[in-house]
Amino acid sequence: KNEVEQSPQNLTAQEGEFITINCSYSVGISALHWLQQHPGGGIVSLFMLSSGKKKHGRLIATINIQEKHSSLHITASHPRDSAVYICAALSNFGNEKLTFGTGTRLTIIP
Amino acid sequence: SAVISQKPSRDICQRGTSLTIQCQVDSQVTMMFWYRQQPGQSLTLIATANQGSEATYESGFVIDKFPISRPNLTFSTLTVSNMSPEDSSIYLCSVGRGQGIYEQYFGPGTRLTVT
Repeated sequence: KNEVEQSPQNLTAQEGEFITINCSYSVGISALHWLQQHPGGGIVSLFMLSSGKKKHGRLIATINIQEKHSSLHITASHPRDSAVYICAALSNFGNEKLTFGTGTRLTIIP
Repeated sequence: SAVISQKPSRDICQRGTSLTIQCQVDSQVTMMFWYRQQPGQSLTLIATANQGSEATYESGFVIDKFPISRPNLTFSTLTVSNMSPEDSSIYLCSVGRGQGIYEQYFGPGTRLTVT
């Protein structure tokens, strides 16, 4: 069992739909990253959060430390949101290593 | 934030050759990381490169295969040596910044195909 698990693995939705991607982790963490990877391979860091909720534009990330669970939400989804979304847990053991989920491939259909 | 560039962005190489990937950051950073992402897989940490010291390699990765240089606080290189088709991957560098809870920024990646 991976230490960081994401669901769903693949998600296809119509433009405008509200999107939720889930991330569960089994290790102790000090923070969790949400990353976006476009087909070219480059990765953009969307959020880093250690508690509560963060919002940037149409993107919202939440984390529940007690439940070891985080969600990424996209409101009013658009075809340009199509990408792979990856959550990555930052260890709290002081070694500053990230453990990555396997990613969620999101496709938004016009 | 940190702006990271990588060269080359992609390459197609023959089996048995070597490729050096460059990573440049727009500001000084202490920690740089090199990752590999094999097709359909998530990212795997190859090594951590700190300026002025030898890189620290993760299990399954060795210096002879993936030598790393870190000559200063804004630059690092990763060489993929004696390549085989199994080395076909995206290679990404990233940098860490901050103390305690820190942020990590990723480069655009180098897409390598070995024929």
